[in-house]
Amino acid sequence: NAGVTQTPKFRVLKTGQSMTLLCAQDMNHEYMYWYRQDPGMGLRLIHYSVGEGTTAKGEVPDGYNVSRLKKQNFLLGLESAAPSQTSVYFCASSYSRQGRGHNYGYTFGSGTRLTVV
Amino acid sequence: GIQVEQSPPDLILQEGANSTLRCNFSDSVNNLQWFHQNPWGQLINLFYIPSGTKQNGRLSATTVATERYSLLYISSSQTTDSGVYFCAADSNFGNEKLTFGTGTRLTIIP
Repeated sequence: NAGVTQTPKFRVLKTGQSMTLLCAQDMNHEYMYWYRQDPGMGLRLIHYSVGEGTTAKGEVPDGYNVSRLKKQNFLLGLESAAPSQTSVYFCASSYSRQGRGHNYGYTFGSGTRLTVV
Repeated sequence: GIQVEQSPPDLILQEGANSTLRCNFSDSVNNLQWFHQNPWGQLINLFYIPSGTKQNGRLSATTVATERYSLLYISSSQTTDSGVYFCAADSNFGNEKLTFGTGTRLTIIP
């Protein structure tokens, strides 16, 4: 089935370790986004991309880096993990900017639960 | 930036009941969406509705842009409707930051 696939689904890191979260979509969407979800705070945008080779900062970009070398993939990196980065991370993609339009919207991945100890 | 507030924070209903979820936003919007997060964490887009009314089966949504609120209606609730409902909005065409509310947790009891 078409959609957004995130790997891994779960991960435990020690403080200071690094890791990369992978997001892959097969819908030929231009726009891709990384969000984090913390209890009681809804979703907050970390970084986003408006097309292959582009990236931009969102609301909470500190401590994260991203890359979009191929249109279908959007990688989120943590260079030196901190306990404050314990969260559930969601990747999303959309055909149009911010998912605007009659039948357009965001397609989300199933999430990655990350714990930093 | 735009502020998005949702109410009520929690709602518990018997199966078959109807419900209304509210989303207030602090600025005029050019993008407003409703999402459902099921108990397993999966997020699904329900409506793109910056203004007007839309219906999809038992769900419908209305946004009154001039009064800065949107309502999500769920009729004849089923246990599968349980989860958290998020409203998200933005007021700036050039900004990718869709601001999410903190959600309404809906629990449908059989």
